[in-house]
Amino acid sequence: GQSLEQPSEVTAVEGAIVQINCTYQTSGFYGLSWYQQHDGGAPTFLSYNALDGLEETGRFSSFLSRSDSYGYLLLQELQMKDSASYFCAVRDNTDKLIFGTGTRLQVFP
Amino acid sequence: GAVVSQHPSWVICKSGTSVKIECRSLDFQATTMFWYRQFPKQSLMLMATSNEGSKATYEQGVEKDKFLINHASLTLSTLTVTSAHPEDSSFYICSGSESQGGNQPQHFGDGTRLSIL
Repeated sequence: GQSLEQPSEVTAVEGAIVQINCTYQTSGFYGLSWYQQHDGGAPTFLSYNALDGLEETGRFSSFLSRSDSYGYLLLQELQMKDSASYFCAVRDNTDKLIFGTGTRLQVFP
Repeated sequence: GAVVSQHPSWVICKSGTSVKIECRSLDFQATTMFWYRQFPKQSLMLMATSNEGSKATYEQGVEKDKFLINHASLTLSTLTVTSAHPEDSSFYICSGSESQGGNQPQHFGDGTRLSIL
């Protein structure tokens, strides 16, 4: 079967740094993506890793290790507006996105 | 950026009603669109893959006759929930990408919250 596991919830204070991990087991792998979803809203694309290493986009960075079937999303200088659910997703060889279990991030003042 | 328009955003209807949800790519052509369902506090579950001009491919466990998908053009896909029941109440989201390839992000519609009374 296919699975992407994430911690269910993470809490932090404004200005802090958090890391959201994702371990995956899928039949095909064409990259690991991260999406943010606020309550009641649609997922929005954050980042994509096809190769091992770190990708940085502003306050957000994403890391991938294909040999470990593992990745993480790093959020720096946390802001209240970062409170949301975060999903990792693997794109398989048919272009489908398989989403992770999701991590709810709560940022406190 | 690429925009996907989905409507209606919210539907409340009686049990037994059929509901149609539209998904349009406004500024790009989406050869493939995807339909997801999301229950509260859960992840997005892929229901089906919609290909322009051909039959949709459904995921295991998704009833084809209940969730009718039509992909009439490169910019429009529809999902019809037939004879909806309370257990079909959920958040339905469509997405599309501009081209094949892992580095092309999927662009999501704003979702449709369906409530069946």
